[in-house]
Formats: sequence, C-alpha cells, structure tokens
Amino acid sequence: NAGVTQTPKFQVLKTGQSMTLQCAQDMNHEYMSWYRQDPGMGLRLIHYSVGAGITDQGEVPNGYNVSRSTTEDFPLRLLSAAPSQTSVYFCASLDRSRSGANVLTFGAGSRLTVL
Amino acid sequence: KQEVTQIPAALSVPEGENLVLNCSFTDSAIYNLQWFRQDPGKGLTSLLLIQSSQREQTSGRLNASLDKSSGRSTLYIAASQPGDSATYLCAGNTGGFKTIFGAGTRLFVKA
Repeated sequence: NAGVTQTPKFQVLKTGQSMTLQCAQDMNHEYMSWYRQDPGMGLRLIHYSVGAGITDQGEVPNGYNVSRSTTEDFPLRLLSAAPSQTSVYFCASLDRSRSGANVLTFGAGSRLTVL
Repeated sequence: KQEVTQIPAALSVPEGENLVLNCSFTDSAIYNLQWFRQDPGKGLTSLLLIQSSQREQTSGRLNASLDKSSGRSTLYIAASQPGDSATYLCAGNTGGFKTIFGAGTRLFVKA
C-alpha cells in the first residue's frame, strides 16, 4: 500500500516556465488536496477536490490549476511559474472512515525553486 | 473563518523532561483536531486525532487533549528523548473537507 505518492521530489524552474506536480493515492479516498508550506506560515490550502470531476479553491489558489479526472490522481499545474511560488508542496488525501473521523494522509512533498 | 495558532514557535528542553505544546483555534465548531510530526525535509506523519466528541487521545508517551469550549488543544510528551526533536503541527477540521494548520512548534530535545 503506497499511500500518497508525489513526483517529482525536487524541481528547479525559471520564471515563466510551466510544470505539473503529480499526486496519486491508492486508498480510494474521495478527498484530495494540495498545500504549500513556507517558513513560519504553516501549511496553506491551494486547491482541493471532493471527488472525480469536482475541484474548488483553497486559501491561496492564484497561479495554480488543478483537475481531477480519476479518484486516484490530482495533479497541480503551474502555468507560468513565479519566484513567489518557491515552496514545498504537499499533496494529501482524506479518509472519511466509518467512524466519521476525517484523517489526513500526506505525501512526502515536492520542493520547488523558481529562479 | 477558522484560524489555528501554536505557541511556542520553538522550544528547547533537556532529555527526560515532560513538555506541553499548545494549539488554539478560533472556531469552536471544530469536527476534529489532528497532531502531526514533521522531520526536517520530510512529509507530515499523523500522531493523534481527537474527534469533537472526545476529550483526549493517547499513544505511547504522547497524550493530546481537546477543549472545544476554550478553543484549545495540548500535546503532552512524557520523558522526552532526542528522537522527539521535530516540528509538531496541529490542524483543525470543521467538518467539511478543509483542514487548517497552525505554523508549528519546533522542538529540540538535548541529550
């Protein structure tokens, strides 16, 4: 059971380039989300999805695009990278277990540097 | 809007000491509160989850409590060890699919 898998682990981009961060989970979780983590600011929600074909914005959605064509995959796209998007990105899925608890499971993170 | 605050931002203690990490939240209609551990350069590992109907959860040397009326949660670590050195984050879920994180407490346990 791989859990939540993110690729790549590290990426360096030039300003204006585009790229996609990949996220896949094999736990059949309906909910998936993307966070960014910056020093001293904790994790901030970028976009989330409550199921295939459904996405919504979080706290800091500008400059990012998402889609959810399958339950397993939730890619995050940067269409024109900016230095302000230098950060560590985490993908997470949420398990609404039979007990009703909403338990978040995280990927290992993707460190992005925009020059 | 739910806001989550963690105090202190950093903490250094000698090995063997018992310690408490604090987390406060603004929306008392919290569904659950989850504590995570993050090692440098790594992802987040879930430690404990407390549902709104519970007052505390225990796992080994860790005990987490939740007081909805005061908007506070604490993580108690007994007999701290150098291996406990990490950043600890709390996160509040208000019943939907959004979870709001605190900025974390960076813990250093000296041998």
